Amino acid sequence: GDSVTQMEGPVTLSEEAFLTINCTYTATGYPSLFWYVQYPGEGLQLLLKATKADDKGSNKGFEATYRKETTSFHLEKGSVQVSDSAVYFCALSGPNYGQNFVFGPGTRLSVLP
Amino acid sequence: EAQVTQNPRYLITVTGKKLTVTCSQNMNHEYMSWYRQDPGLGLRQIYYSMNVEVTDKGDVPEGYKVSRKEKRNFPLILESPSPNQTSLYFCASSQGETQYFGPGTRLLVL
Repeated sequence: GDSVTQMEGPVTLSEEAFLTINCTYTATGYPSLFWYVQYPGEGLQLLLKATKADDKGSNKGFEATYRKETTSFHLEKGSVQVSDSAVYFCALSGPNYGQNFVFGPGTRLSVLP
Repeated sequence: EAQVTQNPRYLITVTGKKLTVTCSQNMNHEYMSWYRQDPGLGLRQIYYSMNVEVTDKGDVPEGYKVSRKEKRNFPLILESPSPNQTSLYFCASSQGETQYFGPGTRLLVL
């Protein structure tokens, strides 16, 4: 079945450092890809998404590019802030409406001042 | 305000005592889903519903039931809870690909 693999962390960075969180997937067909963020004590929020190959999703300084050839969707940010400390989940959904969503295990990011 | 609400937010119960976690959304979404979140395992889908009276199993449906009698509500039922169902539960709804999550229900089964 479909699956998502991401670096589990925890990842600890200093403020203004560069962030990369790797995500790779296995899926039949052409899934849509997502990054969700979970701040402490809250539910998940959509951070960004990409629906087809070579699409770049971006939001709040975060970016990720849908790479079909490497089946990857790595999350990047050029300069992290303390407020970015959270758990980040990579996810996919199948091409058919209502198909199951599949989440990766999540990566905890801590940004130190 | 568009939102997904869950109740209760925290629950401590004992093995075998039936419980229901409610989920409601005000966005008129057709698709709703339940997940459990456990350390190191991420989110795993329990059940989902594509519309009223249409439900289907996710990856970990054992020990859970759901119903979808109205579009806005999607309760999760644990008929006989066991300690291995101690977890953080999230309800979500979507119209299309983007899911909107509730705040979560933390359940402890003793």
